[in-house]
Amino acid sequence: DAGITQSPRHKVTETGTPVTLRCHQTENHRYMYWYRQDPGHGLRLIHYSYGVKDTDKGEVSDGYSVSRSKTEDFLLTLESATSSQTSVYFCAIPDRANTGELFFGEGSRLTVL
Amino acid sequence: GQQVMQIPQYQHVQEGEDFTTYCNSSTTLSNIQWYKQRPGGHPVFLIQLVKSGEVKKQKRLTFQFGEAKKNSSLHITATQTTDVGTYFCLSLDSNYQLIWGAGTKLIIKP
Repeated sequence: DAGITQSPRHKVTETGTPVTLRCHQTENHRYMYWYRQDPGHGLRLIHYSYGVKDTDKGEVSDGYSVSRSKTEDFLLTLESATSSQTSVYFCAIPDRANTGELFFGEGSRLTVL
Repeated sequence: GQQVMQIPQYQHVQEGEDFTTYCNSSTTLSNIQWYKQRPGGHPVFLIQLVKSGEVKKQKRLTFQFGEAKKNSSLHITATQTTDVGTYFCLSLDSNYQLIWGAGTKLIIKP
């Protein structure tokens, strides 16, 4: 399996508080992705990165920001969490052979009260 | 933007019955991948189809890519409890954008 880990795995927070989720990879891959998953919606892309300090928005980027200061880490920040951001968040990277396969982290379950 | 419609959203089957999920697009797809997500888990890659009319098999799973490269299916023969989960398709459209289907949840009736 690709080396990709997420932290924290579970978090409960209150509306209005900032939250940062971390994705760490050991594959030295340029591309990293943040998705959220909600029932009935499948996986929706929040932001992605194509290199250090190179990021772009996905289809549901409002309320989220990202940073990539090192190849191995991709951070997702909710500046002021809302209940609508309660979700499971997945980080993903492509495989090293660039076949198109995506490897996912274990997920971070966020609950905003 | 472009969408891939995946149906059905849910399928309840008795163990031993077959299961099929479909992904349909109005535009030509460059390729299509299938993923399985067990309850509480993360999506795991199953297979990728690239060629028009391609058919691939993995034990009881059969994957097809349509001749026009606008649709695909995943068929499971004689389902087992280990097949439970949600199956997603992921495609690369002609603009190299990744498009996910919404998933089909396979539920085995008790």
